Amino acid sequence: EAGVVQSPRYKIIEKKQPVAFWCNPISGHNTLYWYRQNLGQGPELLIRYENEEAVDDSQLPKDRFSAERLKGVDSTLKIQPAELGDSAVYLCASSPGGALYYNEQFFGPGTRLTVL
Amino acid sequence: LAKTTQPISMDSYEGQEVNITCSHNNIATNDYITWYQQFPSQGPRFIIQGYKTKVTNEVASLFIPADRKSSTLSLPRVSLSDTAVYYCLVGSGNTPLVFGKGTRLSVIA
Repeated sequence: EAGVVQSPRYKIIEKKQPVAFWCNPISGHNTLYWYRQNLGQGPELLIRYENEEAVDDSQLPKDRFSAERLKGVDSTLKIQPAELGDSAVYLCASSPGGALYYNEQFFGPGTRLTVL
Repeated sequence: LAKTTQPISMDSYEGQEVNITCSHNNIATNDYITWYQQFPSQGPRFIIQGYKTKVTNEVASLFIPADRKSSTLSLPRVSLSDTAVYYCLVGSGNTPLVFGKGTRLSVIA
């Protein structure tokens, strides 16, 4: 069974440029999460989707970050414009559907973003 | 803010048993205790989860005392490939998982 797929794996951009990350969750998993992980820290939740609905985006910096999951399957996280402090690893995770934060989440390999 | 406290780092020799203890004094009645493992350049991987007493799987054992204010992840006979960061989390499913900084385990030959 394929795991969570993310692309690109690495991205280097200059500040003020836009950037987008793509995630394809495990087939059948209705819940999708985006996390950000800074160096030496644990992942921090940005947004959670149940199917195509964003049910928790309280930690998403909405002035520059946006996300979508139009058909309830794959998802895109966008930053526009990027700032130096956005350099981090962006992780996508998925879990079986339901109105819960499942403790067993399946993570992708992440996208390492470097903003110059 | 992470709801757990665990050592920043630990060292161990190959072949030894490693025990990582996590404190979660404010654990709620409905909370489960979950441990994740993260290798460099990879996302975290679920290892084990428990509610009380002892849970064992092919990777690790999880010991939880009766008061549930702490838990211990036990890795039997570690190898170099067990070098990773280990995260202890508590949650019930109604709230997001909150990752702390984890415990960086270094296994030495």
